[in-house]
Amino acid sequence: DQQVKQNSPSLSVQEGRISILNCDYTNSMFDYFLWYKKYPAEGPTFLISISSIKDKNEDGRFTVFLNKSAKHLSLHIVPSQPGDSAVYFCAAKFTGGYQKVTFGTGTKLQVIP
Amino acid sequence: DGGITQSPKYLFRKEGQNVTLSCEQNLNHDAMYWYRQDPGQGLRLIYYSQIVNDFQKGDIAEGYSVSREKKESFPLTVTSAQKNPTAFYLCASTDSNQPQHFGDGTRLSIL
Repeated sequence: DQQVKQNSPSLSVQEGRISILNCDYTNSMFDYFLWYKKYPAEGPTFLISISSIKDKNEDGRFTVFLNKSAKHLSLHIVPSQPGDSAVYFCAAKFTGGYQKVTFGTGTKLQVIP
Repeated sequence: DGGITQSPKYLFRKEGQNVTLSCEQNLNHDAMYWYRQDPGQGLRLIYYSQIVNDFQKGDIAEGYSVSREKKESFPLTVTSAQKNPTAFYLCASTDSNQPQHFGDGTRLSIL
């Protein structure tokens, strides 16, 4: 049972344009969401997060939007750069303690120069 | 420079052999995790440990074993009972509610 879903396995975007990566979750108990970026043969690195008490969090070129009623979040990258080309994982967890993080299947972003 | 070190980067195993993947962290994190990544399946949790001498099974623990004798170390043994061990293995650590830090992974292949 995939509780965190990224339905687009891949996405191609022109350099300078906006990249929008989507993520859906099924467990309404999740209250903290994260995005990780992963290059080939490396471990994921944390990118940005959002608590369920917010609907938007921004960090430079990266913005995460959360729609709790739709159980949907998205990551916007503006402007996209070739160095952003990587696999992006959406993840969700319950806050408090060391509860496990549930990851999506990832979306491979290619930014075309 | 704090971080998580996984070794080796590439590992080959013969059928029927056990193999141990190393994970060491110098971040002073209490919690450590092992994930497996397969194409199209994201990261799946194998085992996690919240404190020394304690660990719990994750979603796909069958065929794996771990130990947590030291805070810095969380080795994963892939046993011969694991029928499909070829994968990319990732170790992570965290403190309280902070995002997990990941190592660079070990790719295990069966000869």
